[in-house]
Amino acid sequence: TAGITQAPTSQILAAGRSMTLRCTQDMRHNAMYWYRQDLGLGLRLIHYSNTAGTTGKGEVPDGYSVSRANTDDFPLTLASAVPSQTSVYFCASSQDQGSTDTQYFGPGTRLTVL
Amino acid sequence: GQNIDQPTEMTATEGAIVQINCTYQTSGFNGLFWYQQHAGEAPTFLSYNVLDGLEEKGRFSSFLSRSKGYSYLLLKELQMKDSASYLCAVRDHQAGTALIFGKGTTLSVSS
Repeated sequence: TAGITQAPTSQILAAGRSMTLRCTQDMRHNAMYWYRQDLGLGLRLIHYSNTAGTTGKGEVPDGYSVSRANTDDFPLTLASAVPSQTSVYFCASSQDQGSTDTQYFGPGTRLTVL
Repeated sequence: GQNIDQPTEMTATEGAIVQINCTYQTSGFNGLFWYQQHAGEAPTFLSYNVLDGLEEKGRFSSFLSRSKGYSYLLLKELQMKDSASYLCAVRDHQAGTALIFGKGTTLSVSS
C-alpha cells in the first residue's frame, strides 16, 4: 500500500500567490495532521482533523486553511503565501486520536516562498 | 503549556551505546513517542511509552518516568545508518490532539 502520499514534492512560489498542498492516505485512518518543520524549531502542528468533516487549529495555524471532505484527503491551502511560510510540510495520519495510536508521516513537501 | 527538551546534537562511534534524553512538562500526559528522521526524509516511528519502565525493541529501547517527566532512548551496537535526528514527542490529552514534538537530537555516528 502507498500509505500517505503528498504532492508536490517541492515547489517554489511567489509571495502573494495561493497554493494547495495535497495529502492522501489509503489506510482509512480517522485522524490527519499537518506539520511544518523548520531548522531549529522542530515539527509544529498547523491544523488537524479528528475525523472527516471536522478540523481544528494547531500551534501555528495563521495563514493556512484545511478541509476534510472525506476520510482519505486532507489538503492544506496557503491563501496568500509569505516568505516565512518557506518550510518543509509533513502530513500525518493515525487510526484515531487515542493515546496508543501511532502517527505515520508522508514524505513531505518542500516549499520555498520568494 | 507544554515544553519538551532534548540535546541538540550528540556524537558516538560505531558499536557503542548512546542514550538520548528527553524531559517534558505537560499538564495532561498521555504517552511519549520517539521518532527517527534521516536527513531529507519523513519521521518514522520507533517507540511508544505510556507507563513507567523500559520498552525494548531490538537494538532500541525507550524508558519513561512519569513522575520525573523524563524519558530516554537507548541505542545499542550503533551503526553508521543510525546517524539521524531523533525526535521526542508527547501526547497531551488536555491539548486535545496530535503530538507535541521536541526540536530533535541530531546523532552522528562515526567509524
